Amino acid sequence: QQPVQSPQAVILREGEDAVINCSSSKALYSVHWYRQKHGEAPVFLMILLKGGEQKGHEKISASFNEKKQQSSLYLTASQLSYSGTYFCGTEGNTDKLIFGTGTRLQVFP
Amino acid sequence: ETGVTQSPTHLIKTRGQQVTLRCSSQSGHNTVSWYQQALGQGPQFIFQYYREEENGRGNFPPRFSGLQFPNYSSELNVNALELDDSALYLCASSGRTTNEQFFGPGTRLTVL
Repeated sequence: QQPVQSPQAVILREGEDAVINCSSSKALYSVHWYRQKHGEAPVFLMILLKGGEQKGHEKISASFNEKKQQSSLYLTASQLSYSGTYFCGTEGNTDKLIFGTGTRLQVFP
Repeated sequence: ETGVTQSPTHLIKTRGQQVTLRCSSQSGHNTVSWYQQALGQGPQFIFQYYREEENGRGNFPPRFSGLQFPNYSSELNVNALELDDSALYLCASSGRTTNEQFFGPGTRLTVL
């Protein structure tokens, strides 16, 4: 089952914050986050492992609630370069990565 | 360190034809996964190769097949092409099964 992301789209001004959620119906071992710009390949942002700590670097961080099978990506003080489509990828007991429905983020000056 | 590369960049085929897409994994990576990404959708897992063996498969028919070579590069073969096969095909390499997958630039396949 494909993880569901919300919201489907976000429009921000530079400097504003955003939260993107990813929810799965299956028990998860890990959650991966990727950003994909139009016409380009997805770029790895971070991975959160079951039992691991909240991850992040600078203004992008994420959390993983194993019990609820959910993850959230936090974008703080957004920059123009944050624009793109964000995908979560979930890994269950099959060791295969299943990508979510995607969240399109647009940051304007 | 060389990143993941794919060839060709673009390809146009007609229905019923066969196609082979190629992927070179990042240096030091022994696992390659292939994904199909339709326009406006997230990548859909096709299959994964680990040390030259298929290590899992998504919900794709047998006409999608693959190979991994001793140098860990990989091929994706699609037989009897259908119009719905038109998509961006991405390969990703990793050092183990799925952790930190690094994607290549993709091959844009158009089936007419």
